[in-house]
Amino acid sequence: GDSVTQMEGPVTLSEEAFLTINCTYTATGYPSLFWYVQYPGEGLQLLLKATKADDKGSNKGFEATYRKETTSFHLEKGSVQVSDSAVYFCALSDRTGGFKTIFGAGTRLFVKA
Amino acid sequence: GAVVSQHPSWVICKSGTSVKIECRSLDFQATTMFWYRQFPKQSLMLMATSNEGSKATYEQGVEKDKFLINHASLTLSTLTVTSAHPEDSSFYICSAREDTPGHQPQHFGDGTRLSIL
Repeated sequence: GDSVTQMEGPVTLSEEAFLTINCTYTATGYPSLFWYVQYPGEGLQLLLKATKADDKGSNKGFEATYRKETTSFHLEKGSVQVSDSAVYFCALSDRTGGFKTIFGAGTRLFVKA
Repeated sequence: GAVVSQHPSWVICKSGTSVKIECRSLDFQATTMFWYRQFPKQSLMLMATSNEGSKATYEQGVEKDKFLINHASLTLSTLTVTSAHPEDSSFYICSAREDTPGHQPQHFGDGTRLSIL
């Protein structure tokens, strides 16, 4: 079945450092890919998405590019802030799976001032 | 933008009671809603897919009689945890998919933290 694998955390960075969180997927169909963010004690917020190969999703300085050849959707940000501290989930949704969203395990990010 | 309202946000109750959680799509219709469970510091596990006007589809290992799902209208799905016990304590999150063509992301509620004493 479909699955998402993302790098284990926690990831600890200093403010203004470069962030990369790796994400790879397996899918039988042609999925859409998402990054969600969860702040402490809250629900999930959609951070960005990409629906086809070579699409780049971007939001709030975060970017991720849909790479079909490497089945990857790595999340990047050039300069992180303390307020970016949260858990980040890579996810996919596939028509052949009834559009249910499959999540990766989540990566916890701590940003120090 | 689209909003999903989940209620209550937090509930504490005694072992053996039943707890109902509501998930509403506020400004769009959602034939399909999803219920997830999240344990501390873990990812979201899909419990079931809720379909308006028909039976829910449960994931493997999820007890249908324990977690009753009702999707009576295009904007409301409910999850009832029956005869809840401490092991049912968790963070439950619903999501709703807009009834529009194409591949739309799901919209998530803010979650319900359930604590069974």
